[in-house]
Amino acid sequence: DADVTQTPRNRITKTGKRIMLECSQTKGHDRMYWYRQDPGLGLRLIYYSFDVKDINKGEISDGYSVSRQAQAKFSLSLESAIPNQTALYFCATSDSRRGNNQPQHFGDGTRLSIL
Amino acid sequence: QKEVEQNSGPLSVPEGAIASLNCTYSDRGSQSFFWYRQYSGKSPELIMSIYSNGDKEDGRFTAQLNKASQYVSLLIRDSQPSDSATYLCAVLKAAGNKLTFGGGTRVLVKP
Repeated sequence: DADVTQTPRNRITKTGKRIMLECSQTKGHDRMYWYRQDPGLGLRLIYYSFDVKDINKGEISDGYSVSRQAQAKFSLSLESAIPNQTALYFCATSDSRRGNNQPQHFGDGTRLSIL
Repeated sequence: QKEVEQNSGPLSVPEGAIASLNCTYSDRGSQSFFWYRQYSGKSPELIMSIYSNGDKEDGRFTAQLNKASQYVSLLIRDSQPSDSATYLCAVLKAAGNKLTFGGGTRVLVKP
């Protein structure tokens, strides 16, 4: 089983719909992140959380919101989806107990298409 | 200037040769550096971490860091077709909060 699980793996939806992407982890890490990846633009940080109730904006947070319901769960919502939010979305985790310089570990991704 | 820059490639290498990938970064306060491998449509997979100047070897991979020149490189020895992927350089600033990724270098290993 994957340590960082994202659901759904694929989603096709229409403009204006509300969408939630979920991420859960069994690694026991305290920090969690949401990224989107677009061809030619690389990975860009949307939101991150260092603990339950801690939410921080990344470089491209407009149009997105997040919820950290428990240490193991971090969900990303698109309140009213638009076509330019079509992308590959990744959740990642890291463990600050080993220091602030730890790498991040990624889930398998969610491919989201908005028509 | 991008914070983390990589040549997008593709870098084409024959099987068995050495692939050399470079990455430069703009923030002199950066402390931690990572290389990820990403196959098409898959998630990034951590292959190397390096924190101090010099070389770090792990199997066929060697990471090299030069903080004075602000570059980090990755060497892949005895390249195999299975090494064909995009390699992402990632840099963690001194504050340790956010990882910044380069755009990736696509590597093609030809049998």
